Amino acid sequence: GENVEQHPSTLSVQEGDSAVIKCTYSDSASNYFPWYKQELGKGPQLIIDIRSNVGEKKDQRIAVTLNKTAKHFSLHITETQPEDSAVYFCAASIVGDMRFGAGTRLTVKP
Amino acid sequence: DTGVSQDPRHKITKRGQNVTFRCDPISEHNRLYWYRQTLGQGPEFLTYFQNEAQLEKSRLLSDRFSAERPKGSFSTLEIQRTEQGDSAMYLCASSWDGADQPQHFGDGTRLSIL
Repeated sequence: GENVEQHPSTLSVQEGDSAVIKCTYSDSASNYFPWYKQELGKGPQLIIDIRSNVGEKKDQRIAVTLNKTAKHFSLHITETQPEDSAVYFCAASIVGDMRFGAGTRLTVKP
Repeated sequence: DTGVSQDPRHKITKRGQNVTFRCDPISEHNRLYWYRQTLGQGPEFLTYFQNEAQLEKSRLLSDRFSAERPKGSFSTLEIQRTEQGDSAMYLCASSWDGADQPQHFGDGTRLSIL
């Protein structure tokens, strides 16, 4: 089955800097790649997603890139703010069976 | 609030007891998913429904676990004869039909087994 690896497990940046989180997946049939933000005591919140027919997508300070050949995708957050501090999960989906990475704890220091 | 709703938010029970959780999805969504999340890990897929039909079950879903979605709206997840290893956050998500549709999560039910 699908296996998703996520790096780094923790990331600390200064407010205003950029943050990059990377994921790799194993099954080339995966066709949908969402990113979720999870705050303490809450469920994961979808922040951006990308489908396999697109290489890049941007939404304000957040962007995601997908390299199907290398089977990896990345989340880029620019101009980070303290409220961006949370755990971020990548996921890869085949026919709705979504597999998640282990998460990245992002800390933005003011 | 028209998001995914889960009840209860917290459940504490003794080992060996049965527990049942409820999920109310976003009303227009015909797919409903259950996941389990342990500390420091991402959510793990358990099962999903399309309308009232349970279409896929993970190997994680042992015989002690059963899920239903009788009318294609809300769903229940029951765990029988709970064990210490069942302690986790149980998350529900819903989406439109299709493998590439965004899944929207509830805030989960945290289960603690004493």
